[in-house]
Amino acid sequence: DVVMTQSPLSLPVTLGQPASISCRSSQSLVYSDGNTYLSWFQQRPGQSPRRLIYKVSNRDSGVPDRFSGTGSGTDFTLKISRVEAEDVGVYYCMQGTHWPLYTFGQGTKLEIK
Amino acid sequence: EVQLVESGGGLVKPGGSLRLSCAASGFTFSNAWMSWVRQVPGKGLEWVGRIKSKFGGETTDYAAPVKGRFTISRDDSKSTLDLQMNSLKTEDTAVYYCTGVDTFYSFEMWGQGTMVTVSS
Repeated sequence: DVVMTQSPLSLPVTLGQPASISCRSSQSLVYSDGNTYLSWFQQRPGQSPRRLIYKVSNRDSGVPDRFSGTGSGTDFTLKISRVEAEDVGVYYCMQGTHWPLYTFGQGTKLEIK
Repeated sequence: EVQLVESGGGLVKPGGSLRLSCAASGFTFSNAWMSWVRQVPGKGLEWVGRIKSKFGGETTDYAAPVKGRFTISRDDSKSTLDLQMNSLKTEDTAVYYCTGVDTFYSFEMWGQGTMVTVSS
């Protein structure tokens, strides 16, 4: 099975400052069609997960442009250019390349310093 | 507006059974691959299983911890997704989310979740 490893697991950030979360997969996430099916999700306290990014770098509708995704192969990053109070929550990466066994990272808890 | 509404959660004894349902609206359910994802309170997300559309043969796949115990089914006429859970274990205690699998092999749509507690 593909293992997704996130770091850090806890991320205290000052309001207005940038934040970065790393996600590494144990196998390449490049699919046979040439695409890379890596997604990022945000889960605010008490809420269901919400997808932010799909296919490494594509933002979902309604997601602020301060969120961006980069990476390739086995190394991926979610960046928030300027953290706002509403960004508090847990962030998960997830691979869909090796479906049907979809796997999530452990989660990174973002909090305000 | 896309909506996924889960129901059927509750308290069940180890070894017991429970059936969860998910009512879908706001999209063409019959064309959608659907999944269940669970989350132990305070912990991370775990994919449980997936069912393809009728066009895809309604093929099902499951995560190793639930294979042979859980069964996913769908009723396209009612736009509902079910999860039959048998031989439940304490480690199956979690919030269960109904999700839609999009063409990017990702979970675009999520329900609000339903809590399942397995305890004696």
